[in-house]
Amino acid sequence: GNSVTQMEGPVTLSEEAFLTINCTYTATGYPSLFWYVQYPGEGLQLLLKATKADDKGSNKGFEATYRKETTSFHLEKGSVQVSDSAVYFCALSDRGGTSYGKLTFGQGTILTVHP
Amino acid sequence: SQTIHQWPATLVQPVGSPLSLECTVEGTSNPNLYWYRQAAGRGLQLLFYSVGIGQISSEVPQNLSASRPQDRQFILSSKKLLLSDSGFYLCAWSGQAWDGYTFGSGTRLTVV
Repeated sequence: GNSVTQMEGPVTLSEEAFLTINCTYTATGYPSLFWYVQYPGEGLQLLLKATKADDKGSNKGFEATYRKETTSFHLEKGSVQVSDSAVYFCALSDRGGTSYGKLTFGQGTILTVHP
Repeated sequence: SQTIHQWPATLVQPVGSPLSLECTVEGTSNPNLYWYRQAAGRGLQLLFYSVGIGQISSEVPQNLSASRPQDRQFILSSKKLLLSDSGFYLCAWSGQAWDGYTFGSGTRLTVV
């Protein structure tokens, strides 16, 4: 079956520090990969996505590259801000079959950025 | 553009009372619809999903049920709430399998 593993966290950084949140996956098919962000008290928002190997998703200064050879989709940002404090979820969607577009989520990583 | 509405935003219910949470999607047709529960602000548990009117698949047996009476309406229900039903409930929809989900803003349910 499909699974997503994220670094446990919580991650605590100072403002302007470099961020990496690791994500690896296993999939039976050829998945699309996603990062979602959840701000306190809110639903999840799509942050970025990649649909094929070597694609780079980017948004709001965050980036992640679909690495098929290492089955990874690590999230990075060069300079974090206090407003980036949130929970980040890595996810995959296995196309086709009977998956009906169901996403498999990682367990989430809490990021706290201090001024 | 597509939008998803979920209500209420917060709910406090006594143990043994019924529950009805509603989710509607606008601007698309025949969406896949999902109900998730999130405990302690972290992991997401898929409760139900639906690929069409009247079609409901349950991922986890529990005290809850779901219905899809209209194409873009998805309802989560319970006849008698338990304390363990407390949590943050999220509705989501998707189109193509590789597009990912769009989530509603969630309902914070506290059973007392």
